[in-house]
Amino acid sequence: DTGVSQNPRHKITKRGQNVTFRCDPISEHNRLYWYRQTLGQGPEFLTYFQNEAQLEKSRLLSDRFSAERPKGSFSTLEIQRTEQGDSAMYLCASSPTGTLRNIQYFGAGTRLSVL
Amino acid sequence: AQSVTQPDIHITVSEGASLELRCNYSYGATPYLFWYVQSPGQGLQLLLKYFSGDTLVQGIKGFEAEFKRSQSSFNLRKPSVHWSDAAEYFCAVGDQKNNFNKFYFGSGTKLNVKP
Repeated sequence: DTGVSQNPRHKITKRGQNVTFRCDPISEHNRLYWYRQTLGQGPEFLTYFQNEAQLEKSRLLSDRFSAERPKGSFSTLEIQRTEQGDSAMYLCASSPTGTLRNIQYFGAGTRLSVL
Repeated sequence: AQSVTQPDIHITVSEGASLELRCNYSYGATPYLFWYVQSPGQGLQLLLKYFSGDTLVQGIKGFEAEFKRSQSSFNLRKPSVHWSDAAEYFCAVGDQKNNFNKFYFGSGTKLNVKP
């Protein structure tokens, strides 16, 4: 068990470019979450998957953001036409089903800098 | 509306001194409460959780927290702080009404430890 893995760890991009982040959850975890964390703030919920189904999506998530989990394993988060306000740490977390479904395991995050 | 408030942005304590970090929550049902710790450049690590039962819960690294329903609080404590405890601490509430499809985090408290 290698934990939740996120790639890349850092991404620098120019405003207007598209970026994609990847999250590999713990292998037996069916539940997967994406969060955004800006400087001095706590993680802000973006979206939630159970297996391949996206069951919850924050109203804060603009249409420039899209997330997928095509086979119920890894997930990707894409930001189109990046803006400077998208600069943040993007965190992924996974959890098992059942009685432990509320225990989240976090990855180290992808730090995005939009120039 | 669901929310978590951490009133203290920064706290500085001397090594060996006791610590209390405050957390207040707003949630329209029985709260499922968590404390996480985040070291620089890292993801979040679960310290402890409260679901029901004994209102004083023990966690890892010598931390404990007390749930007080009358005050809507879940404060984190440690009797004797070590320099390695310097980090940022986040309180969170799980959205139990929606099967934990979402979690709400406070804005965090950054702990500095003086030698």
